[in-house]
Amino acid sequence: KNEVEQSPQNLTAQEGEFITINCSYSVGISALHWLQQHPGGGIVSLFMLSSGKKKHGRLIATINIQEKHSSLHITASHPRDSAVYICAVPSKSSGSRLTFGEGTQLTVNP
Amino acid sequence: SQTIHQWPATLVQPVGSPLSLECTVEGTSNPNLYWYRQAAGRGLQLLFYSVGIGQISSEVPQNLSASRPQDRQFILSSKKLLLSDSGFYLCALAGGPIPFYEQYFGPGTRLTVT
Repeated sequence: KNEVEQSPQNLTAQEGEFITINCSYSVGISALHWLQQHPGGGIVSLFMLSSGKKKHGRLIATINIQEKHSSLHITASHPRDSAVYICAVPSKSSGSRLTFGEGTQLTVNP
Repeated sequence: SQTIHQWPATLVQPVGSPLSLECTVEGTSNPNLYWYRQAAGRGLQLLFYSVGIGQISSEVPQNLSASRPQDRQFILSSKKLLLSDSGFYLCALAGGPIPFYEQYFGPGTRLTVT
């Protein structure tokens, strides 16, 4: 089983701050997913990346395959970014199933 | 683009009662479908997945079962609910070529067992 660890578990920031959320995993993977869960429970996929860096608006995701580590960055954070951010990697036994981190609860205060 | 529908959105059921949650998808054919559960304050747990009609794999032994009677329909059921079945249930599908696929999630059903 591929273990996924996220840090921090909880993060509180002031509006405008630069945010970093980290994810480490234990087994080699082909791709890593970053998900966002809104307060109401809905989940959206932010990124799926297998190498390097991807950027979408104020969100940036990076991955280092050799070090088995990924980071999600939020620039110029805003209260609407408040959500749970979840890292997930393919299950060792089947690439179509995901193993999830416990999530990082981000709160951005105005 | 893929769309996932789930109903009901919320449900309050007594212990020992049956359960049926339905998930239907649009905009894709022969998808891999998944049922996840999220207990309060916990991470996502995969319950069942299906690669085709009538094909169900269970990840953890539990009080629940799943069925896929049609290509775009995935049902989660229980004959007798337990308090521990309370949680947020999400249906999801994998789109695109494995392993470089995207996962799409439905809006979820919040189940409270009383």
